[in-house]
Amino acid sequence: RKEVEQDPGPFNVPEGATVAFNCTYSNSASQSFFWYRQDCRKEPKLLMSVYSSGNEDGRFTAQLNRASQYISLLIRDSKLSDSATYLCVVLGTSKIIFGSGTRLSIRP
Amino acid sequence: GAVVSQHPSWVICKSGTSVKIECRSLDFQATTMFWYRQFPKQSLMLMATSNEGSKATYEQGVEKDKFLINHASLTLSTLTVTSAHPEDSSFYICSANTATGSYLTDTQYFGPGTRLTVL
Repeated sequence: RKEVEQDPGPFNVPEGATVAFNCTYSNSASQSFFWYRQDCRKEPKLLMSVYSSGNEDGRFTAQLNRASQYISLLIRDSKLSDSATYLCVVLGTSKIIFGSGTRLSIRP
Repeated sequence: GAVVSQHPSWVICKSGTSVKIECRSLDFQATTMFWYRQFPKQSLMLMATSNEGSKATYEQGVEKDKFLINHASLTLSTLTVTSAHPEDSSFYICSANTATGSYLTDTQYFGPGTRLTVL
């Protein structure tokens, strides 16, 4: 089993739709969790950190479920500019592990 | 926010030459930096963890003698691809951990990447 797993997609949804991704992790001792966004041929950019209490930033909501060992990202009212690959990142004590990414494509 | 730079942004070289890529944290000190490689349409693959003042830790399958890492200061790590071959052509990205001392506030910031093409 991979340490971090994501549905690779692609998710193809219409503009304005709500879309959600999950990411599961295997190490219960994992400490920090993040969602990154990566555009084609660019470096990943931090989208948001994921806290136990859940956090929201505009149209984006991230949640952590430690009991079931997964994190989620919800995008509401999706825009064309949201099209990208979304990477979940899990930080251990000295190791950083990436999910393989979920490709999202928003169509007009 | 924290910024990480990489130099060069792209490089083309002949097979057999060595290429050095620099990764700098511009407004924070990073005791730990990470080097990744990304092939087209694939995810980032961690190559090694660079620790200031000590040897780098390489992931399984990554040749330490081919990918030399030097973390000479708290703001600079270098990756040297020795005797590069066409199969080493890839997008190399570094990241640095803000290392605030609390996992609650630590964040990874990525450099813009270096595109290496070996002919």
